[in-house]
Amino acid sequence: QVQLHESGPRLVKPSETLSLLCTVSGGSVSSKYWNWIRQPAGQGLEWIGRMSPSGSADHNPSLRSRVTMSLDVSKNLFSLELSSVTVADTAVYFCAREGQFVRPLDNWGQGTLVTVSS
Amino acid sequence: DIQMTQSPSSLSASVGDTVTITCRASQSVSPYLNWYQQKPGEAPTLLIYAASILQSGVPSRFSGSGSGAHFTLTISSLQPADFATYYCQQTYGTPRTFGQGTKVDVK
Repeated sequence: QVQLHESGPRLVKPSETLSLLCTVSGGSVSSKYWNWIRQPAGQGLEWIGRMSPSGSADHNPSLRSRVTMSLDVSKNLFSLELSSVTVADTAVYFCAREGQFVRPLDNWGQGTLVTVSS
Repeated sequence: DIQMTQSPSSLSASVGDTVTITCRASQSVSPYLNWYQQKPGEAPTLLIYAASILQSGVPSRFSGSGSGAHFTLTISSLQPADFATYYCQQTYGTPRTFGQGTKVDVK
């Protein structure tokens, strides 16, 4: 069974860069697609972007060019950076794996709360 | 972007009830429609993918149907573990988009 685990600073100052890692066990990041999703408190789910096994990325245009994602095959993890954060970026951040066929998100990390505050 | 609209936003039900949640897309997304369940403080879990295929381990009281831009999630004989928030998601294109969620609570 694939397991995903998010890690990174829980508190980020406004205008700085949020950085998170998602460590994958029980499967290889060099297969499947790997996604980031976030959820502000009491709100719905927002898709941030995804990495392909070859290392190419799609991201949500709503986040403009603030998103950078990468894949580290040697460490079996993928990462998210979100630059120029504001309080509106405070949310629980989830990483998730895409499954086969219609590519649903079939495995999720437990999520990590990142707070943007001075 | 493909907009996903769920209805209702919330509903109250009792154990044993049959519950139906609707998800409409702003364009056809068949069969790239998935349903998730989320309980407070937890990550979402996949219930149904490709509109009607039950994810392994999901109880058979959950079912999905629909095509084109109109989909439904039905929970037959609601159980205590089913009180949660449900989201639809399209994986037809990027950006992936979710419905706003439907909270099912106790009547």
